[in-house]
Amino acid sequence: AQRVTQPEKLLSVFKGAPVELKCNYSYSGSPELFWYVQYSRQRLQLLLRHISRESIKGFTADLNKGETSFHLKKPFAQEEDSAMYYCALSGRDTPLVFGKGTRLSVIA
Amino acid sequence: NAGVTQTPKFQVLKTGQSMTLQCAQDMNHNSMYWYRQDPGMGLRLIYYSASEGTTDKGEVPNGYNVSRLNKREFSLRLESAAPSQTSVYFCASSSQDRINSPLHFGNGTRLTVT
Repeated sequence: AQRVTQPEKLLSVFKGAPVELKCNYSYSGSPELFWYVQYSRQRLQLLLRHISRESIKGFTADLNKGETSFHLKKPFAQEEDSAMYYCALSGRDTPLVFGKGTRLSVIA
Repeated sequence: NAGVTQTPKFQVLKTGQSMTLQCAQDMNHNSMYWYRQDPGMGLRLIYYSASEGTTDKGEVPNGYNVSRLNKREFSLRLESAAPSQTSVYFCASSSQDRINSPLHFGNGTRLTVT
């Protein structure tokens, strides 16, 4: 079974501080991992996916198969990063399973 | 290019009433999905359609039915609404190459059942 765990419901950081949103997963095969973001009054949208190995809006996430984690990181938080973040997992030919989400609040 | 369009945006129902949530996409995507979003629960998959003509249950299908009307449209029906179905419903679609391609979401429908 696929499972995604985001242990923090709410994460508050000061502007300019580093950010790490945690995501752990459970899946027996080779997963595909994603981070989705929902800004206030906007639709949910893809932030990044592990196979792209890219940095979007300063965020990066590395898949650690040993620790079954896919934590989202940014070295310096900005106020516009305040949003709801969802980690999601997909197995081969199975739909995305989402975590419960973490609300990031960046304090000026 | 509107992407994924959902109607209505808001709806209030009384217990036992029925309604259909509409979803259409103009990106020629094969796969379409219905999720519900509840505080503290994240997004949970209700039903999905991997391709035109097929539908499958997700994590929380009870109380819902779906119809993949054509490649563009995927509707969600509540036959007899219950207060537990108060939620925000999101439709999504993904490109035709693989079922786990990135999802494109609609703006959501906020449903309240009293």
